[in-house]
Amino acid sequence: TQLLEQSPQFLSIQEGENLTVYCNSSSVFSSLQWYRQEPGEGPVLLVTVVTGGEVKKLKRLTFQFGDARKDSSLHITAAQPGDTGLYLCAGGNQGGKLIFGQGTELSVKP
Amino acid sequence: EAGVTQFPSHSVIEKGQTVTLRCDPISGHDNLYWYRRVMGKEIKFLLHFVKESKQDESGMPNNRFLAERTGGTYSTLKVQPAELEDSGVYFCASSFYPGQKLFFGSGTQLSVL
Repeated sequence: TQLLEQSPQFLSIQEGENLTVYCNSSSVFSSLQWYRQEPGEGPVLLVTVVTGGEVKKLKRLTFQFGDARKDSSLHITAAQPGDTGLYLCAGGNQGGKLIFGQGTELSVKP
Repeated sequence: EAGVTQFPSHSVIEKGQTVTLRCDPISGHDNLYWYRRVMGKEIKFLLHFVKESKQDESGMPNNRFLAERTGGTYSTLKVQPAELEDSGVYFCASSFYPGQKLFFGSGTQLSVL
């Protein structure tokens, strides 16, 4: 059974601080996706990484896929209150089925 | 373009009753997925349709759950009879190709009392 361990589960920081969220697995995934979910809504895809060692940037967000395609990280620089939300990592395989991590509830205080 | 729509947004039923959830995927998306998040747990895969065929139903918890996608358009997920542990948020998602960008609906919050 494939599992994704996501940490930390909760994170409360001040505006302007940096943070990193981690997703780790003992399994290899063909892709790793990061989602953001707002209350009452479904997850919305932020980025997909598919190559070992790949780094993608989305404004102040930096996503990295581990060399062995078993782990990934999301780094936010100078967090803003608008970054508050639930962040989810999900590992994908060829069939399209996703394995989700438990999620990181991020709160950025002004 | 309309996104993935789910109905109802909330459902409160008693143990032993039947509930049917509906999902309308984005038009043209052959791939339709059902996922579920129970309290305190991660979102878990239930099943995957390609058009009207069940491609993967390995995540369906038991035979009280029945998913259909007649005609390859909208899908329904019926729980009969519902049990307390079925409570959670049921998400539907669709994509053009399997493994490509998934578009999620807002989910159905199911509470079984």
